[in-house]
Amino acid sequence: GNSVTQMEGPVTLSEEAFLTINCTYTATGYPSLFWYVQYPGEGLQLLLKATKADDKGSNKGFEATYRKETTSFHLEKGSVQVSDSAVYFCALTGGFKTIFGAGTRLFVKA
Amino acid sequence: NAGVTQTPKFQVLKTGQSMTLQCAQDMNHEYMSWYRQDPGMGLRLIHYSVGAGITDQGEVPNGYNVSRSTTEDFPLRLLSAAPSQTSVYFCASSPDRGSNEKLFFGSGTQLSVL
Repeated sequence: GNSVTQMEGPVTLSEEAFLTINCTYTATGYPSLFWYVQYPGEGLQLLLKATKADDKGSNKGFEATYRKETTSFHLEKGSVQVSDSAVYFCALTGGFKTIFGAGTRLFVKA
Repeated sequence: NAGVTQTPKFQVLKTGQSMTLQCAQDMNHEYMSWYRQDPGMGLRLIHYSVGAGITDQGEVPNGYNVSRSTTEDFPLRLLSAAPSQTSVYFCASSPDRGSNEKLFFGSGTQLSVL
């Protein structure tokens, strides 16, 4: 079945540092890929998505590229802010099901 | 603009009790789903529905029942609560069954089973 694996956290960075959170997937067919973000006490909200190979999703300075050859969808940001502290989830949707990774908690220090 | 509304926000049950977690959306979304969130395990799909009258099992359906009598509502029933069901539960909806569509999440229900 489909699955998503993302790097374990927590990840602790200083403000303005470069961020990478790795995500790889296993899927049949051609899934869509997503990054969701969860702030404390809230539900998940979409950060970005890509629906086919080589697509790049971007939002709020975050980017991720759908790499079919390496089955990856790594999240990057060039300069993180304290307000980016949250839990980040990689996800894929195939058929009627969206499958999530375990989540990566990010702490950004001022 | 309410979006996806979950009630209650917090609940404490004793082992063996039953209860229903409510989920309602006002966006006329066809697709609705329930997830549980546990530390280190991400979100796991419990049940989902692709429209009124249609439901199916996700990854972890045991111990939970659902029904979808209207487009707006998708309640999750725990028939006999167990400590293993202590978790945070999220309801999510999407405009249709298309895999390109994002999920809209409620704010969650924190459930403790003693």
